[in-house]
Amino acid sequence: GQQLNQSPQSMFIQEGEDVSMNCTSSSIFNTWLWYKQDPGEGPVLLIALYKAGELTSNGRLTAQFGITRKDSFLNISASIPSDVGIYFCAGRDVDDKIIFGKGTRLHILP
Amino acid sequence: GAVVSQHPSWVICKSGTSVKIECRSLDFQATTMFWYRQFPKQSLMLMATSNEGSKATYEQGVEKDKFLINHASLTLSTLTVTSAHPEDSSFYICSAGLPLSSYNEQFFGPGTRLTVL
Repeated sequence: GQQLNQSPQSMFIQEGEDVSMNCTSSSIFNTWLWYKQDPGEGPVLLIALYKAGELTSNGRLTAQFGITRKDSFLNISASIPSDVGIYFCAGRDVDDKIIFGKGTRLHILP
Repeated sequence: GAVVSQHPSWVICKSGTSVKIECRSLDFQATTMFWYRQFPKQSLMLMATSNEGSKATYEQGVEKDKFLINHASLTLSTLTVTSAHPEDSSFYICSAGLPLSSYNEQFFGPGTRLTVL
């Protein structure tokens, strides 16, 4: 089946640093999605990417849909404490199913 | 924005009992809803796709007689965990599609924490 490899698994950074995480897939997706999940809550959509090569920003967040349609990255600039959480990449397949990566846990050191 | 609610937000039950979880799209109609489960520190795993007015489509390995799904209206889908056992304890999350455009984004509910004693 389709699999998404998300890295890194966790990150420990200082407040104010930039963050980068990425996802690669064994197959092509038509849509790449990035979600953030806070403890005990459902995922919240951060950025959606619909075209290969597309680069989209949402405030301090920037994500790109890889040209091969098998990868995507998410960057967070100038991290702040509320950025702490789990970030999931996800791809939507032709059946509209969303396949999730394993997540990147972001920790911000005081 | 599109809001999806779940009820209850958490439930504790005895082994052998059945538990019903509701998923509602509050400000839009969703022809398709999805049910996921998430174990601690793990990713979301799709359990089934719920289609209004028809039978749900289950992912491989998910027992349809164990996890009963009903999608009776365009704003409500229910997941019933029948004869629950401790291994069914998990975080169950639903999502609903927003069919306003060809993009058909999915929005997630806040999740339901099920603990089976």
